[in-house]
Amino acid sequence: DTAVSQTPKYLVTQMGNDKSIKCEQNLGHDTMYWYKQDSKKFLKIMFSYNNKELIINETVPNRFSPKSPDKAHLNLHINSLELGDSAVYFCASGRETNTEAFFGQGTRLTVV
Amino acid sequence: GESVGLHLPTLSVQEGDNSIINCAYSNSASDYFIWYKQESGKGPQFIIDIRSNMDKRQGQRVTVLLNKTVKHLSLQIAATQPGDSAVYFCAEMGQTGANNLFFGTGTRLTVIP
Repeated sequence: DTAVSQTPKYLVTQMGNDKSIKCEQNLGHDTMYWYKQDSKKFLKIMFSYNNKELIINETVPNRFSPKSPDKAHLNLHINSLELGDSAVYFCASGRETNTEAFFGQGTRLTVV
Repeated sequence: GESVGLHLPTLSVQEGDNSIINCAYSNSASDYFIWYKQESGKGPQFIIDIRSNMDKRQGQRVTVLLNKTVKHLSLQIAATQPGDSAVYFCAEMGQTGANNLFFGTGTRLTVIP
């Protein structure tokens, strides 16, 4: 019954590694998002993607890239991980019209 | 105005009292607003929303007020319960090509039994 699910829930990795976080939604939504939440709980959008366009927050380093194999999935790939990438990453989905976004449970990424 | 600084704004209330959480939003063109609740270790959960053609909306024990003149939102929780303890975020959405939600600084609500 999980609406938006992310894996893994926790990810600990060394600097310089490449990692991926997977996200799946079973709500039939057209749009999916990735958000980053820092240690002060501030939530910032990273990407918004539907089958027509990808919108990238200009502050996101190009080491981060979303990949969507199909409408129900939006995975986040991160290359050359840095200490400052440590945060909780949330996937979300929503319909195209102005409605709420539904969030996954988050992936806590720790870069050591 | 918006909270800026090193600390998450906090609000402590006694169980049974009413809580009011405030939020200033930034974009006068935003036309849809949402309050989210985030419990420890979980993702944000939808509480209530309001569109810019309204100034008040009520749910179960929650009320959202929108003042477009001063770009201000508030969330009122009636008869606050220990389970209401969480971080609360307001979020705004504008008329852009994609539906991006922009979150304000959260407020940590602590309910004292």
